[in-house]
Amino acid sequence: DVKVTQSSRYLVKRTGEKVFLECVQDMDHENMFWYRQDPGLGLRLIYFSYDVKMKEKGDIPEGYSVSREKKERFSLILESASTNQTSMYLCASSPGSYKLFFGEGSRLTVL
Amino acid sequence: AQTVTQSQPEMSVQEAETVTLSCTYDTSESDYYLFWYKQPPSRQMILVIRQEAYKQQNATENRFSVNFQKAAKSFSLKISDSQLGDAAMYFCAIPSGTYKYIFGTGTRLKVLA
Repeated sequence: DVKVTQSSRYLVKRTGEKVFLECVQDMDHENMFWYRQDPGLGLRLIYFSYDVKMKEKGDIPEGYSVSREKKERFSLILESASTNQTSMYLCASSPGSYKLFFGEGSRLTVL
Repeated sequence: AQTVTQSQPEMSVQEAETVTLSCTYDTSESDYYLFWYKQPPSRQMILVIRQEAYKQQNATENRFSVNFQKAAKSFSLKISDSQLGDAAMYFCAIPSGTYKYIFGTGTRLKVLA
């Protein structure tokens, strides 16, 4: 089975801190994604990557950056966390067959 | 631009009964896929069912089936013989371009014992 592992299930950070959310997939998928999930808003795409070192902005990239130095790992970075970034963050990977494999999510609270 | 609309924020169903979750969408693509994903409480989201738009036959996976109305751009999910384990958030989604996906806002399904 495909496994997508997110480094932290729950995080609590302070405003202004730098936050790293890491995601690792074990199936050699080309594509990886970071989504933000908020009640009533569904899933919104922050960034995605279709190859190592390649990245593209999604619908809400402001305040976020990403890194993909190895194929299996895709990191989401909040350079200076703000309270409006309190949310559930979902990582997903895809082999390009229009099927997404999700991690369990990282719930971030920014105080 | 592609859009996906789920107009039911929450639904309830009695155990063993049937429930239908609604989804409408808009796309300029002529050939596309449609998806329903399930997110159980505190667990990862998984694919429930996929429909290929060029196929007229509605997709079925065990107790899950879709009612795909291409002209109406409607893609509803029917869950038969509902079980307690079906309680979850359900998201409808369509691809947008080569890599992206557009998700609806979700429907929370409660299953009553």
